[in-house]
This record gives sequence, C-alpha cells and structure tokens, in this order.
Amino acid sequence: NAGVMQNPRHLVRRRGQEARLRCSPMKGHSHVYWYRQLPEEGLKFMVYLQKENIIDESGMPKERFSAEFPKEGPSILRIQQVVRGDSAAYFCASSPNRGLIGDTEAFFGQGTRLTVV
Amino acid sequence: DQQVKQNSPSLSVQEGRISILNCDYTNSMFDYFLWYKKYPAEGPTFLISISSIKDKNEDGRFTVFLNKSAKHLSLHIVPSQPGDSAVYFCAASASGHDMRFGAGTRLTVKP
Repeated sequence: NAGVMQNPRHLVRRRGQEARLRCSPMKGHSHVYWYRQLPEEGLKFMVYLQKENIIDESGMPKERFSAEFPKEGPSILRIQQVVRGDSAAYFCASSPNRGLIGDTEAFFGQGTRLTVV
Repeated sequence: DQQVKQNSPSLSVQEGRISILNCDYTNSMFDYFLWYKKYPAEGPTFLISISSIKDKNEDGRFTVFLNKSAKHLSLHIVPSQPGDSAVYFCAASASGHDMRFGAGTRLTVKP
C-alpha cells in the first residue's frame, strides 16, 4: 500500500507561469488536505477536499490558487501567475474518514518544493 | 488567526534526559490533538495523538498530556535519543474539520 504520493518533488517556475502540484492519496482515502510551509514557518492549512467537493478552502489565497480532487485521478493544487512569494514547500495529506471523537490521523506526502525565479 | 501555538521554536536536551514540547490552543471546539515529527526534506509523520476524552496517552517513549481547562498539551520523550532530533508539530482538529498546526519546535538531542 503506497503512501501519499506527491509529484513533482521539486518544481521551478518563472514568475508569471503556472504551477501544478499533484497529490495521489493513499488507497482507500477520500479526504485530502493541502498545507503550505514557508521557510522557517509551520504548516499553514490551505484547503480540505473530498472527492469532487471542496469542503473548506478558508486557507487558500483568494486569487491565483485553486484546488480540485476529481472522481478519478489525483488532487491538483494549481497556482496561476506565480510570484516569488509562492516559493514554499507544499504538503498534501490524506485520511480515510472524518469521524467524531477518535478521529484518525492524516498521512503526509513528501511534499513539493516550489521555487519561483 | 493562529489557533495552535508552539511558543518555543527550539529545544536542546542531552541524550537520555527528558524532552518536553509544549503546545497551546485557543479553539475550545478542538477535540482531537496530534503530534507530528518532521525531518528535513521529508513530509511530517504521525507520532501520537489524544482525544479530548482523555488526559494522557502513552506509546513507548512518547507520552502526550492534555489539560483541557488550560487548553494546553505537551509531548514528553523519555529517554531522548539523538534520532529524535527533528521538528515537532502540534496539530488539532474539531470533529469534521481539518487539522490546524502550530509553528513547530526544533528538538536537538545532543549525544
């Protein structure tokens, strides 16, 4: 059972280009979360998705950022017209469910390190 | 709005001694708390968790304590080992909602 797979591991984009980050959750997991880690900072929540639905996008910048988790295929975090401030490590996590008390932990991928030059 | 706070950015302890990492939260709706460990260039890995119906959970050398009235939790590692050197993130979630993380504490265990 492969873990959470993110690709690419490293991505370099010029300012103004688009960045597409992919996340394949663990088998059987239908919940995906995206986090961003800026240098010397903690993990900042961006968006929480279930299959074909965005549940909570309160951490997503209002412009240029979008996320999807289609019925088939990986979850995609898309950043349009990238700027230098978008340079960060982007982590995806997945979990099998969102229960009540006694929730399960989420499993993280290795991350995608985006560098905007 | 930082709902989960780790006020110590770094901690250094001697091998064999106890490491205590602290975490405070502000959202009283949080009912599940987790600790993740992160090595450089890797994703965070789950370490230990505790639900709000408990005040202690132990797993080998790792123990998490929860003080709901103080909205405080701590991770104890004893005895500390050099391989424990990493960044430790505290996380919290409310039923049906996503995890929020603290800023992390960099633990260094000296041989």
